[in-house]
Amino acid sequence: AQTVTQSQPEMSVQEAETVTLSCTYDTSESDYYLFWYKQPPSRQMILVIRQEAYKQQNATENRFSVNFQKAAKSFSLKISDSQLGDAAMYFCAYFSGGGADGLTFGKGTHLIIQP
Amino acid sequence: GAVVSQHPSWVICKSGTSVKIECRSLDFQATTMFWYRQFPKQSLMLMATSNEGSKATYEQGVEKDKFLINHASLTLSTLTVTSAHPEDSSFYICSAMKRTGRGFSNQPQHFGDGTRLSIL
Repeated sequence: AQTVTQSQPEMSVQEAETVTLSCTYDTSESDYYLFWYKQPPSRQMILVIRQEAYKQQNATENRFSVNFQKAAKSFSLKISDSQLGDAAMYFCAYFSGGGADGLTFGKGTHLIIQP
Repeated sequence: GAVVSQHPSWVICKSGTSVKIECRSLDFQATTMFWYRQFPKQSLMLMATSNEGSKATYEQGVEKDKFLINHASLTLSTLTVTSAHPEDSSFYICSAMKRTGRGFSNQPQHFGDGTRLSIL
């Protein structure tokens, strides 16, 4: 079974600064996807960024980028120019390429943005 | 886009009653839907996988007789919490899988907005 580990229960960053959220995972599969989801207090699940395991290039979406290290099974999220609206829970998630299973989530990181 | 509607968003009921939660994919067909549960300040845990036209598969530790899942059409899955008790109080979220050809859309799973269930 796959596992996803987020070792930072809470992170705090000054507005406009950069913060990196850590995620490691364990799998024996070669075909999979990794995601970062944002969950604000409304509890909506908002997709931030995704990475296909077969792609070597790190995904980027505006101020959000990942550092995907496949051999190390590491998938960290970097948020640049942090904004107050970035404050939320962030979940790292694993999805099997076979597509028969649900998402496996990490425990989450609570991100606080200091004005 | 890919819109998933979940209803109701919030329900309060007495212990012993049954509660049905609906999950609809509004603009795509979803052969597979998933049900997650999230306790306060915790992560999402997969409860079961719902496949259209067949029985749901449940994760270890989830009582299938307590959490009845029906996926009778390509756009609707329902979760019924039977004889609900206070310990069943939680946030329940569904997601629908959108496939494109042999792969997946940019976001393989599209989430509903969740249902907050409170059992008194």
